[in-house]
Amino acid sequence: GAGVSQSPSNKVTEKGKDVELRCDPISGHTALYWYRQSLGQGLEFLIYFQGNSAPDKSGLPSDRFSAERTGGSVSTLTIQRTQQEDSAVYLCASRAWGVNSPLHFGNGTRLTVT
Amino acid sequence: GESVGLHLPTLSVQEGDNSIINCAYSNSASDYFIWYKQESGKGPQFIIDIRSNMDKRQGQRVTVLLNKTVKHLSLQIAATQPGDSAVYFCALSWNSGYSTLTFGKGTMLLVSP
Repeated sequence: GAGVSQSPSNKVTEKGKDVELRCDPISGHTALYWYRQSLGQGLEFLIYFQGNSAPDKSGLPSDRFSAERTGGSVSTLTIQRTQQEDSAVYLCASRAWGVNSPLHFGNGTRLTVT
Repeated sequence: GESVGLHLPTLSVQEGDNSIINCAYSNSASDYFIWYKQESGKGPQFIIDIRSNMDKRQGQRVTVLLNKTVKHLSLQIAATQPGDSAVYFCALSWNSGYSTLTFGKGTMLLVSP
């Protein structure tokens, strides 16, 4: 597709369960980002992948959160032992190589932990 | 500016008016600035960007102004339309855009016909 694709669009899970969120970036984009957006809030940075470099994990809120990017393309964000405070929209974005190129976002996965 | 909690700053305008949305930042090393529009249920959509070596940039019906002296960024929307109703975020980065993008809290624009 032409844009960033995320799946599922909605996920309801029980507290304590693990979830996996998927992101397909725009083809050819070397950088991939995960952000979290809570209701009525701005975007909170989680993790950043750039090419083959080690990812910047500085935004991950706890060790229950992890992400990987396979083959420099698809990325999966995993949340283990989900808590109610993990409920949010998880947004993925990708960016082309080059200075000052903007991020292009998917429509997000809305996660609800009950 | 910034807001805390669930209540976004809101700008209400009439259709056809010009809208100005403001953003203040604190990191003087910021060198790349972007405005995004987010409609309900969708991800942020890129509107316009500006580098720190510029103070003004125009797009279709939108203008971004950058004042590095007072660390202020604004988005002007000409002849605002009901379809412009959304939450608008400013975002910034440094190192020519290679750093992670930091977002403001957002401003809700409501356009009444």
